[in-house]
Amino acid sequence: SQQGEEDPQALSIQEGENATMNCSYKTSINNLQWYRQNSGRGLVHLILIRSNEREKHSGRLRVTLDTSKKSSSLLITASRAADTASYFCATVGDSGGSNYKLTFGKGTLLTVNP
Amino acid sequence: NAGVTQTPKFRVLKTGQSMTLLCAQDMNHEYMYWYRQDPGMGLRLIHYSVGEGTTAKGEVPDGYNVSRLKKQNFLLGLESAAPSQTSVYFCASKRTLGRSSYNEQFFGPGTRLTVL
Repeated sequence: SQQGEEDPQALSIQEGENATMNCSYKTSINNLQWYRQNSGRGLVHLILIRSNEREKHSGRLRVTLDTSKKSSSLLITASRAADTASYFCATVGDSGGSNYKLTFGKGTLLTVNP
Repeated sequence: NAGVTQTPKFRVLKTGQSMTLLCAQDMNHEYMYWYRQDPGMGLRLIHYSVGEGTTAKGEVPDGYNVSRLKKQNFLLGLESAAPSQTSVYFCASKRTLGRSSYNEQFFGPGTRLTVL
């Protein structure tokens, strides 16, 4: 079963605006990762946040993690048309049998209009 | 470095035919994975390998077999293809340097498979 669930399923914004995507998950995690997928391409890793971290930044990306609510958010600031892609959250479990596997959500399709 | 490559990029099969998808990585990664991606479903793990000669089942393993005879290659086989296996297949790899759970996965470009 899917671990993460992204919200919204689709998001359309204008260039220069900020985009926020949310992810909820069900079980305890070791870390949570966000990936981007351009149309027809493979996934590319964006950022990882560990279970003991609350916020992390990378360039125009800001990720938050609330383990008490089992949720994470990805903020892309000052969006560009090139940010148009699908964004997936993926979790790594905290038990020995699951700490090398990623469990993906269904993704958010972000469209940035020029 | 080529990273993770997949062969073929596209394939059309008839029901009952067999085929093998090849994944190769040149990063000396220990871990390798096969996923399928269906519309609205995200990525689901089919099989994975934590090292040469080892494989394990993922979330949706039925109808697929895998082999990891060489560290750099991970093969996904469909013995008797079914229309339900129409999907986009992605291979990924991950290193084990340091705390492996904190390492990212590197993905190939995908193989689009249609089973008629």
